[in-house]
Amino acid sequence: EVQVAESGGGLVKPGGSLRLSCAVSGIIFSDYTMNWVRQAPGKGLEWVSSIGSSGSDTYYADSVKGRFTISRDNAKNSLYLQMSSLRAEDTAVYSCARLKMVVGAPTNAFDLWGQGTMVTVSS
Amino acid sequence: QSALTQPPSASGSPGQSVTISCTGTSSDIGGYDYVSWYQQYPGKAPKLMIFEVYKRPSGVPDRFSGSKSGNTASLTVSGLQAEDEADYYCGSYAGSNNVVFGGGTKLTVL
Repeated sequence: EVQVAESGGGLVKPGGSLRLSCAVSGIIFSDYTMNWVRQAPGKGLEWVSSIGSSGSDTYYADSVKGRFTISRDNAKNSLYLQMSSLRAEDTAVYSCARLKMVVGAPTNAFDLWGQGTMVTVSS
Repeated sequence: QSALTQPPSASGSPGQSVTISCTGTSSDIGGYDYVSWYQQYPGKAPKLMIFEVYKRPSGVPDRFSGSKSGNTASLTVSGLQAEDEADYYCGSYAGSNNVVFGGGTKLTVL
């Protein structure tokens, strides 16, 4: 059975830091590009960051570039998001999501999602 | 404000068809055949319904179909069923390893 479970969310003050984790099981984790996607309360989805299967390629949305760092540990089947200099507008549910591949090619769609972990930035 | 524009709501009666639009620009929807659609129930994770404009993942009913014309993509749900009532989000590749999403459409089955 495939399972995706995020953790590490919570309440943090503006300017603070937080590290999110995502544990994945039931797939060959090291085969896939993984992503973080967030959803502010009552709002739409926002892609945050992605990391290639080996961990050497990372990409960020302009809104988080320079403040967030994505990483992974393929030996532990885990994805991470280190968040710093947090702002009120970073308040959201953060989910990890797998990039769907078809015959080895990326589809730029996300086919496996976790339930997410809530991050609240407030004084 | 989301990069892609969706109507906030849509509705239809059981058995009818409903189409949800998603408007972007030539830098995202119009520039790539990488449009995706997601279904989300309250408090649940999104589910991929359509990828690469019109392709359905295994297990998605063929009542769901996708299309694109210029900078606008569409999701059509035919033969509406009660369980189709959910939020639907569109997504598109926007270049430079960036994906953008719409603000979501709440589909109500009357």
